[in-house]
Amino acid sequence: EAQVTQNPRYLITVTGKKLTVTCSQNMNHEYMSWYRQDPGLGLRQIYYSMNVEVTDKGDVPEGYKVSRKEKRNFPLILESPSPNQTSLYFCASGGGAGYNEQFFGPGTRLTVL
Amino acid sequence: RKEVEQDPGPFNVPEGATVAFNCTYSNSASQSFFWYRQDCRKEPKLLMSVYSSGNEDGRFTAQLNRASQYISLLIRDSKLSDSATYLCVVNIGNQFYFGTGTSLTVIP
Repeated sequence: EAQVTQNPRYLITVTGKKLTVTCSQNMNHEYMSWYRQDPGLGLRQIYYSMNVEVTDKGDVPEGYKVSRKEKRNFPLILESPSPNQTSLYFCASGGGAGYNEQFFGPGTRLTVL
Repeated sequence: RKEVEQDPGPFNVPEGATVAFNCTYSNSASQSFFWYRQDCRKEPKLLMSVYSSGNEDGRFTAQLNRASQYISLLIRDSKLSDSATYLCVVNIGNQFYFGTGTSLTVIP
């Protein structure tokens, strides 16, 4: 089954404790992206990747890191989480440059205390 | 200024009604346009891409007006299952910009 998976689905952590949210897709997509969704602000793009070893900042990259060492995986790293990073996070993948449909993972609900 | 603006609603309509959503975008360099559907706190899913000539998929019709920089979605013969939040999405280069969504509830 073609899908994007994210783990964990739910996470409660404390300020400053490094965490990684994994994202994996099995559709051989070149494009992958991370978004956060907050009430009243909609989905905002954090980082995206056009291919292996190619990553770029989106609209809200501060406080986040990503890596793309393999085509299928695109982890999101919070080196020192803060309460303002409490949000619903979605990973997505797509078949090419920005013209195509994106497929989203189920989301990760993160709470930073 | 937000790249994409949508009326958040909510739109509450009876079954069988026709409902239209509009969305405006600010950047004339916007290249591709989409409508996504999101059920309560679940992942967004593509409803349809929006083409300059307009396009239709069953009960759904999407229109793009580049001169006025707006996108519309028309839903005919609303079903209960259409209740969701509809997200307008614009692509500029390799980035995507989402509207905050328009909430639709179809009432029996």
